[in-house]
Amino acid sequence: ETGVTQSPTHLIKTRGQQVTLRCSSQSGHNTVSWYQQALGQGPQFIFQYYREEENGRGNFPPRFSGLQFPNYSSELNVNALELDDSALYLCASSTRGTGAYEQYFGPGTRLTVT
Amino acid sequence: AQKITQTQPGMFVQEKEAVTLDCTYDTSDPSYGLFWYKQPSSGEMIFLIYQGSYDQQNATEGRYSLNFQKARKSANLVISASQLGDSAMYFCAMREGSGNQFYFGTGTSLTVIP
Repeated sequence: ETGVTQSPTHLIKTRGQQVTLRCSSQSGHNTVSWYQQALGQGPQFIFQYYREEENGRGNFPPRFSGLQFPNYSSELNVNALELDDSALYLCASSTRGTGAYEQYFGPGTRLTVT
Repeated sequence: AQKITQTQPGMFVQEKEAVTLDCTYDTSDPSYGLFWYKQPSSGEMIFLIYQGSYDQQNATEGRYSLNFQKARKSANLVISASQLGDSAMYFCAMREGSGNQFYFGTGTSLTVIP
């Protein structure tokens, strides 16, 4: 069974640039959620994708957008980067409709905006 | 109001001793799930244990148990026989009903002393 993977591991961008982060869900999982974890804080829900559509969104501006592909992998795109976007971005996969409740997280992408 | 509150920023425990990490939650939804995750310095969130709001018994998973007190809205994690490898950040989280979003607390840093 393949776990959740994310790429890249680390990334440094300049304010105003755009970034794309990638996530491959765990085998058999059809739902992907993205979280932002600032230093010293708990993860904050950005949005979730199910069946290639956004299925719930947290308190994040529209410059945070995403995609889910037919193989259930997902991308998180952030436009017009701001210094406060520096954080660990976590992807989590899960399975809807089976009664399973857990989310399984990837190792994260650490984004630094300078 | 915070959905999840973890009031212990840092905890220390002697190796082989038991430790309790506190978590209180706030929801008006009668159906919810409570989760504990471990986050080592590497960053990956590791699922530890789950408790459903309708579960009659406290959840247990190996050395982890969840002390669920519904009337007090608390879901404390108990780690028995602490090991050096248990040193990490621990996060309590909640999902309401069939909602998509997980709400996380600010975490507790656990240090196991040899």
